[in-house]
Amino acid sequence: GAGVSQTPSNKVTEKGKYVELRCDPISGHTALYWYRQSLGQGPEFLIYFQGTGAADDSGLPNDRFFAVRPEGSVSTLKIQRTERGDSAVYLCASSRAGGRGDTQYFGPGTRLTVL
Amino acid sequence: DQQVKQNSPSLSVQEGRISILNCDYTNSMFDYFLWYKKYPAEGPTFLISISSIKDKNEDGRFTVFLNKSAKHLSLHIVPSQPGDSAVYFCAASAESGYALNFGKGTSLLVTP
Repeated sequence: GAGVSQTPSNKVTEKGKYVELRCDPISGHTALYWYRQSLGQGPEFLIYFQGTGAADDSGLPNDRFFAVRPEGSVSTLKIQRTERGDSAVYLCASSRAGGRGDTQYFGPGTRLTVL
Repeated sequence: DQQVKQNSPSLSVQEGRISILNCDYTNSMFDYFLWYKKYPAEGPTFLISISSIKDKNEDGRFTVFLNKSAKHLSLHIVPSQPGDSAVYFCAASAESGYALNFGKGTSLLVTP
């Protein structure tokens, strides 16, 4: 079956603009995660969804970042008033149920560049 | 503060030899550990995991060793193959389970 897909693969925007990043998880996976990977760093947790609800958004850096998953499948990460420091690869992952032994499958990421 | 540390940014090994990648952690609440492999322009791919109730887990050419008292784990790849060339990330999670804490990664190059 298809893996996790993310669109767009690349996004270039200007400082102050609004962007939306989309994630299509593996079909049937109830758990969905967003991570951010800055240059030279490992992925950093942002938010975790179980079904439609954000079970843990403690990793979101500030209130410019918001994510939704209205039907429990596709998720959108929204960033308002983008800053140059937001430039990174945004990774989405999904897992079957969200438990600890549950393997997280990652998408290829969206590379966001804020000029 | 980095709770999972991979102190070697890169490692070069000859084909057929053993590759040993190291990882240290500081958070004593971590009790589940994973290794992910990443090729350029792709997302990380799960490789192998270990629970803190074990000290070793093996899967084919890949073995992960956990030393809880030292808060240290290592990934052994034997024998190393050129296709193993990638960035390897160590990750850990606490009992709450879902958020993975990653190290910065080690870039492994296996030369023919």
